[in-house]
Amino acid sequence: NAGVTQTPKFQVLKTGQSMTLQCAQDMNHNSMYWYRQDPGMGLRLIYYSASEGTTDKGEVPNGYNVSRLNKREFSLRLESAAPSQTSVYFCASSETSGSFYEQFFGPGTRLTVL
Amino acid sequence: DAKTTQPPSMDCAEGRAANLPCNHSTISGNEYVYWYRQIHSQGPQYIIHGLKNNETNEMASLIITEDRKSSTLILPHATLRDTAVYYCIVRAYSGGGADGLTFGKGTHLIIQP
Repeated sequence: NAGVTQTPKFQVLKTGQSMTLQCAQDMNHNSMYWYRQDPGMGLRLIYYSASEGTTDKGEVPNGYNVSRLNKREFSLRLESAAPSQTSVYFCASSETSGSFYEQFFGPGTRLTVL
Repeated sequence: DAKTTQPPSMDCAEGRAANLPCNHSTISGNEYVYWYRQIHSQGPQYIIHGLKNNETNEMASLIITEDRKSSTLILPHATLRDTAVYYCIVRAYSGGGADGLTFGKGTHLIIQP
């Protein structure tokens, strides 16, 4: 099992350009998440999808859109990139039943907006 | 979710036990304590969690005080590969829906050879 995979690993954009970050998981998890991590900081939740067909805003959703394409895939789109969106983006997935709250994280996408 | 307080950094000698403290004085009865770690540039990794009893798994032990206002993560025989940022997270059971984790700045644990 690959776990959680993310593409691309690195990306450089110019201000105003758009792009989509892709995430897929092969653990049959119901829930998926997008976080961003700025230098020296903890992760902040952008959007999450508790189950297929639903998405909700997290702590820092402005400037982003998401699509839960199916149970496996959850994409994050930047419509008009800004330098403030320079960050490392992590996708994660988890089961939602019970109290066991283990999230599995992908390797991250390092995005620079010039 | 209750707020947590962790020291920004700690050192530990290789082979010794690393004890990482976390204060969560406003924790409520239905909130669990979770520990994750993030090795340089990688995605965070789950370590352990508990409600009120002490817990142990193959990676670590979690000691929660009787009043649940603080906890300690113990890595019994630290190795250089344990150098990472360790996050203490408090959150309630989400009741069937999942709404993400709240990460603070964590403790940067440095294992010294």
